[in-house]
Amino acid sequence: RKEVEQDPGPFNVPEGATVAFNCTYSNSASQSFFWYRQDCRKEPKLLMSVYSSGNEDGRFTAQLNRASQYISLLIRDSKLSDSATYLCVVNLLNSGYSTLTFGKGTMLLVSP
Amino acid sequence: EPEVTQTPSHQVTQMGQEVILRCVPISNHLYFYWYRQILGQKVEFLVSFYNNEISEKSEIFDDQFSVERPDGSNFTLKIRSTKLEDSAMYFCASSDSGRDTEAFFGQGTRLTVV
Repeated sequence: RKEVEQDPGPFNVPEGATVAFNCTYSNSASQSFFWYRQDCRKEPKLLMSVYSSGNEDGRFTAQLNRASQYISLLIRDSKLSDSATYLCVVNLLNSGYSTLTFGKGTMLLVSP
Repeated sequence: EPEVTQTPSHQVTQMGQEVILRCVPISNHLYFYWYRQILGQKVEFLVSFYNNEISEKSEIFDDQFSVERPDGSNFTLKIRSTKLEDSAMYFCASSDSGRDTEAFFGQGTRLTVV
């Protein structure tokens, strides 16, 4: 079973659309959760951390369901500049040291 | 804004040669990492480093790989005898805590083994 699994994508949406990304993780001992964004041939950059209470940052909303081991990211009013690959990332603590485990990513293409 | 810097941005090497990838983590960070991403695949953890020693390593990080912090600023990844399958983007990252905090990634070194 894949450790972090995401929608395969790509998602093609028009500007202004709302798009949702889903992610599941297999290790129930995972401690913290993130969404990263990766532009083509660039490094991953943190988009937002994900908390059980849910958190929102402008047009972006992240949710975590620990019982279902499920993470989501919602982007409202999508912009052309949102086009990128969205990586679901899980932090597993081993002996106090973190190891980030990445999903393969879901590509988003926003068109005019 | 502080950033992680990596050199070179692109390295081409012949199979069997040794390569050293260099990274300068963010200055007040204590935890350092190497990840790799083969073209079209996911980002994979290689190794984490804290207090001048390896704290975790993955199955990918075999005897051909080593890491070093030779001075107070640099963090290096050495591949002793490169294979074709080592061709990938290698990302260095650092964080100020080993726990829940964000890891900042460098822009990566694209390694091409020919």
